[in-house]
Amino acid sequence: EIVLTQSPGTLSLSPGERATLSCRASQSVSSSYLAWYQQKPGQAPRLLIYEASNRATGIPDRFSGSGSGTDFTLTISRLEPEDFAVYYCQQYSDSAVTFGGGTKVEIK
Amino acid sequence: QVQLVQSGAEVKKPGASVKVSCRASGYTFSSYAIHWVRQAPGQRLEWMGWVNAGNGYRKYSQKFQGRVTITGDTSASTGYMELSSLRSEDTAVYYCASRVAAVWEWGQGTLVTVSS
Repeated sequence: EIVLTQSPGTLSLSPGERATLSCRASQSVSSSYLAWYQQKPGQAPRLLIYEASNRATGIPDRFSGSGSGTDFTLTISRLEPEDFAVYYCQQYSDSAVTFGGGTKVEIK
Repeated sequence: QVQLVQSGAEVKKPGASVKVSCRASGYTFSSYAIHWVRQAPGQRLEWMGWVNAGNGYRKYSQKFQGRVTITGDTSASTGYMELSSLRSEDTAVYYCASRVAAVWEWGQGTLVTVSS
């Protein structure tokens, strides 16, 4: 099973600042199968990025994904008030899915 | 557009079973797998397994092997997840999801509460 480790666990930032979230895999992951989600309390996960770098429909361009192999990054260029939430990475390989432990982006 | 609509909240006693449904629309149900993911209160997302709705092939997470059954009914475009021998630690929101043309679509979630 591929283990995904997200860092940092919590990111304290102010609106307008840049957020950089990391997702590291225990073995190589195909970029085709790496996704990022945003989740707010009481809500289902919302797909932000699929195939490592493609924005899902309706996702603002301040969200971007990059990376390959074992290291992937989600960047929020300028935080808006509605961006404070928990973010998860997900991989799908060998017919199994795993999720990272999440990064909480909180208001500083 | 693709939609996954799940059944309503359930309350079960320890030792019982629960079956959650997920009705799909907006795509060819038999062409894509239906996955099930759960999230206990304050915890991370946890994958349980999937079923190929077209041929019935299934794969389960080792953690749930023996306790979970995931099925698909192509005539109803509906997937099902049944979890048996429930215990308090199974209290969680259960989600169905499907990767349709590389894009992951999710249901709204079903809260299952296990309490005596």
